[in-house]
Amino acid sequence: AQSVTQLDSQVPVFEEAPVELRCNYSSSVSVYLFWYVQYPNQGLQLLLKYLSGSTLVKSINGFEAEFNKSQTSFHLRKPSVHISDTAEYFCAVRRGGKLIFGQGTELSVKP
Amino acid sequence: EPEVTQTPSHQVTQMGQEVILRCVPISNHLYFYWYRQILGQKVEFLVSFYNNEISEKSEIFDDQFSVERPDGSNFTLKIRSTKLEDSAMYFCASSVARDTEAFFGQGTRLTVV
Repeated sequence: AQSVTQLDSQVPVFEEAPVELRCNYSSSVSVYLFWYVQYPNQGLQLLLKYLSGSTLVKSINGFEAEFNKSQTSFHLRKPSVHISDTAEYFCAVRRGGKLIFGQGTELSVKP
Repeated sequence: EPEVTQTPSHQVTQMGQEVILRCVPISNHLYFYWYRQILGQKVEFLVSFYNNEISEKSEIFDDQFSVERPDGSNFTLKIRSTKLEDSAMYFCASSVARDTEAFFGQGTRLTVV
């Protein structure tokens, strides 16, 4: 069975600092991995995805994630965060036609 | 930009009442989903729907739940007799194909009292 673990429930960080949100998955088959972001009072938005090819994937707003098969990880990183990045971040793995989500990590960026 | 829309944004209902949550998926999408998130917990898959039938459902999706695509645009989730534990944020999603990314709506917060 596939599962997703996000190791940190809350990550407080100061503006312009780097951040890493950790995600580990368990799977015995090929994986398709996603990061979704949920801004306050909004729905889930796709941030980035790994389906195949380059193991480093990037979003338009400076986030990146690296698929590491040997460590079964898909950590999300940003070298310099903004106040506007404050949100909840969900890692997910696709199993068949559905998504299996992690518990979510609340990123709180302070001035 | 096309988006998935859900109505209402909030719904309060009494235990035992029926509720219908509504969703308008993106127009050229063929796969539709419902997920829910109980406060403080994970987002959980409920059901997927394709070609006017359920393609997959979770153990959460028992006989109290049903889905329907009554016309060419709406996709609904009905809970026949709500329980307190049905209180959650319900997300609708749609995708072009089974293996493409899903686009989510903003959610309906259901509160059962």
